[in-house]
Amino acid sequence: SQKIEQNSEALNIQEGKTATLTCNYTNYSPAYLQWYRQDPGRGPVFLLLIRENEKEKRKERLKVTFDTTLKQSLFHITASQPADSATYLCALDGGYSSASKIIFGSGTRLSIRP
Amino acid sequence: DVKVTQSSRYLVKRTGEKVFLECVQDMDHENMFWYRQDPGLGLRLIYFSYDVKMKEKGDIPEGYSVSREKKERFSLILESASTNQTSMYLCASSQEWAGGRIFGPGTRLLVL
Repeated sequence: SQKIEQNSEALNIQEGKTATLTCNYTNYSPAYLQWYRQDPGRGPVFLLLIRENEKEKRKERLKVTFDTTLKQSLFHITASQPADSATYLCALDGGYSSASKIIFGSGTRLSIRP
Repeated sequence: DVKVTQSSRYLVKRTGEKVFLECVQDMDHENMFWYRQDPGLGLRLIYFSYDVKMKEKGDIPEGYSVSREKKERFSLILESASTNQTSMYLCASSQEWAGGRIFGPGTRLLVL
């Protein structure tokens, strides 16, 4: 069955360092991959979308890579700040052929310590 | 500021009650979704709609129904609430199939 795995453990990073979160998937061929941020008790906030034919995408301090051979996406936050502390979700989208069925990972909790 | 709003942040209901969760978006989006989020299980799709009066089952539709009479409004109905429906319910919308979902703030439902 289709499966998404994110870093199961919480990630603790020193402020100013680069945080790297991992999203691995199996038995799936997503056309798109999305990343969201979720703060406690709130709905997820969409951050970035990367297509299967894109290797890398950047937005301000965020960088996402997508390796369809390894079936993996990496999400980087450079110059991390305590305000970046949140849970980050990856989501796979099969595009039009899958009737918009997005599958979400369980998320990785990121803590940035001052 | 564009947004998705949900009728309640917190709701407490009794087993067997009929529960209505309302969602409104102001972005003129075609697609709307209902998810539930439980610890360790992630976000799971209950129902979605790609047009007014249209609806499609998601991964866990049992015990739920939906209504979309107007483009901006998508309602989730728990016909007879049960304790295993205690969860965080999240509504979302998107303009494109593959576009990022815009989520509402969520409704935390407790069924006693």
